[in-house]
Amino acid sequence: DIQMTQSPSSLSASVGDRVTITCRASQAISNYLNWYQQKPGKAPGLLIYGTVSLQSGVPSRFSGSGSGTDYSLTISGVQPEDFATYFCQQTYSSSWTFGQGTKLEIK
Amino acid sequence: EVKLVESGGDLVQPGRSLRLSCTPSGFTFGDYALSWVRQAPGKGLEWVGFIRRNGPGFGGTTEYAASLKGRFTISRDDSRSIAYLQINSLKTEDTAVYYCTRSRTYYPGSNSYYDDYWGQGTLVTVSS
Repeated sequence: DIQMTQSPSSLSASVGDRVTITCRASQAISNYLNWYQQKPGKAPGLLIYGTVSLQSGVPSRFSGSGSGTDYSLTISGVQPEDFATYFCQQTYSSSWTFGQGTKLEIK
Repeated sequence: EVKLVESGGDLVQPGRSLRLSCTPSGFTFGDYALSWVRQAPGKGLEWVGFIRRNGPGFGGTTEYAASLKGRFTISRDDSRSIAYLQINSLKTEDTAVYYCTRSRTYYPGSNSYYDDYWGQGTLVTVSS
C-alpha cells in the first residue's frame, strides 16, 4: 500500500492566520490526492480533489497544491468554522489510503 | 439532495458476522461507485474498499484494503439502489463507525476517484 504521511499531526492557529498542512506519499501519486475536513461527531466532507480542484461550496480560502509525492492544503485566513481535523487521501493505486490526520486547534 | 444512509451497525460478539447497508438517494445509483471507510473511536480514517459501477469498462468490480482483504465483502444491488458491506469473523479491532461514500471519477474514463458525499455512519461495536 502507498503510505500517506501528514504533518503536522496537530496545529494551533489564530483566526486570520494562514496555515499549511502537508501530505507526503511513499511513491508518486500523479496528483490523485484529495483533502477532507471532519468536525467532531460529524462525517468527513470533501474540500479538494485532484490536488487543486475545490469542491463546490467550499470557500476559496482553501487551496491545494503539489505534485509527485508532496502535497499541501493551505487555508488563507483561518475562520472559526475551520477548526477541525483534516485528512489527505490518495486514490492513485487500487488500494486507497488516508493520511493520519491533522487537527487544527485554536491558539 | 444527495444523501447516503448507513444501517445495520450493532453490538456483536467476536467471531460473528454482520452486514451493513448503504441506501443512497438523490442521484442515479447505478452511475456511481460506492466506498466504505471506517473510523475507530478517537482514530483516523481507514479505507475499507469500494465497488465500481456496473457496465462496460467498470464491471462492478471491487477493491479492498490489503490489510482487510478476506473478511470484508462489498456488493451492490442496482435494482434496489442499495450497497452492502459484509464483515465476517468480527474482531474487537473492527469496532468503528462505518461510513458509506459516493465515489466519483476525476473525469470520464478515469480509474481514479474521490468521495464527494458521505453518509452519517453506523456504529459497529465488537465485544463479548
